[in-house]
Amino acid sequence: TQLLKQSPQFLSIQEGENLTVYCNSSSVFSSLQWYRQEPGEGPVLLVTVVTGGEVKKLKRLTFQFGDARKDSSLHITAAQTGDTGLYLCAGAGGDDKIIFGKGTRLHILP
Amino acid sequence: NAGVTQTPKFRILKIGQSMTLQCTQDMNHNYMYWYRQDPGMGLKLIYYSVGAGITDKGEVPNGYNVSRSTTEDFPLRLELAAPSQTSVYFCASSNTIRGNYGYTFGSGTRLTVV
Repeated sequence: TQLLKQSPQFLSIQEGENLTVYCNSSSVFSSLQWYRQEPGEGPVLLVTVVTGGEVKKLKRLTFQFGDARKDSSLHITAAQTGDTGLYLCAGAGGDDKIIFGKGTRLHILP
Repeated sequence: NAGVTQTPKFRILKIGQSMTLQCTQDMNHNYMYWYRQDPGMGLKLIYYSVGAGITDKGEVPNGYNVSRSTTEDFPLRLELAAPSQTSVYFCASSNTIRGNYGYTFGSGTRLTVV
């Protein structure tokens, strides 16, 4: 059974600080997606990474896919209150099944 | 461009009642999905469809039914509501097989069974 473990579960930091959240598995994924979900809304796709070692940047957000395609990280530089939300990673396995991690709940304090 | 639209936004059901959660997408996506999200438990796949007329069970299908008569619509039916079905339900669609390059989600239906 493929599992995606996200850490930390919760993170509360001051505005302006940097942070990194992680998505780890013992299984290999053909691609990995990151979503942000705000209260009362559905998840919104931020990025998809498909190549081992790939790094993608979305303004202050940097996403990295591990070389072995088993893990990923999301780094936020100079966090803003608008970054508050639930961050979900989702991996596509060899059988094309998509599995979701349980998420990291991020709270940026003003 | 509306994307994925879900109705209703909120609903309270009594045990044993039935209801249909509506989902429609205007992106001409072949692939559609129903998930439920419980606190601290992530998203669990209920049912999915790879095209009109084709549906299949996901991880947690018991107590639910779906149909896919058109590309646009993918309703989820609860026949005999139980408290265990209290959850937030999300419909999603994608243009690639099993959403390997990302899903578009609706804004969800919050269902409470009392």
